[in-house]
Amino acid sequence: GAVVSQHPSRVICKSGTSVKIECRSLDFQATTMFWYRQFPKKSLMLMATSNEGSKATYEQGVEKDKFLINHASLTLSTLTVTSAHPEDSSFYICSARVTSGRPPYNEQFFGPGTRLTVL
Amino acid sequence: AQKITQTQPGMFVQEKEAVTLDCTYDTSDQSYGLFWYKQPSSGEMIFLIYQGSYDEQNATEGRYSLNFQKARKSANLVISASQLGDSAMYFCAMREGPGGGADGLTFGKGTHLIIQP
Repeated sequence: GAVVSQHPSRVICKSGTSVKIECRSLDFQATTMFWYRQFPKKSLMLMATSNEGSKATYEQGVEKDKFLINHASLTLSTLTVTSAHPEDSSFYICSARVTSGRPPYNEQFFGPGTRLTVL
Repeated sequence: AQKITQTQPGMFVQEKEAVTLDCTYDTSDQSYGLFWYKQPSSGEMIFLIYQGSYDEQNATEGRYSLNFQKARKSANLVISASQLGDSAMYFCAMREGPGGGADGLTFGKGTHLIIQP
């Protein structure tokens, strides 16, 4: 399948700081990427849809000012957790929708996830 | 109401046996897609199998098959000849709408499968 990377894989930060997580499609272009959040032993919850060149679409209950999303190119979306607090500690996973470059088109492939711990 | 329901929080299965993981879904869309993912302890989401709502045949991928019963809105995953490496969390997910991957997935709560030697 198509390859999606995330960086960093793990981050520990102090309360009040901001953390940026990158999601890259390595061998295909993705006009749409998705950000999910997973608490321990829980399911994945869709946070937002990231669209290249336009504003992200946030799911109900997700604070857009808290979770800033930038999709500046066809292969990169970033999620910035601003003024992080311990309750933001979670596993953040992105997925990318194949637009061009290699089939299968329009399917989504997941990154390996980023484990955020806020002290 | 939950869109994806997985009623088995955990399962223990003997190695080499077949196992069925249950998934029921709820949607009013005529066009939708159903997915199964495996998540080992490392956290990565591994795509297993996909079934489109208009697909007449049940999807199969190696040892994985999807028992799609549209009228019952069920999409159970069957793993034949289970292996120790199959131990992981398994998530059923749905994409609503005509496809094109424009919408994010809705996930069930998952089933923790443990294969015993």
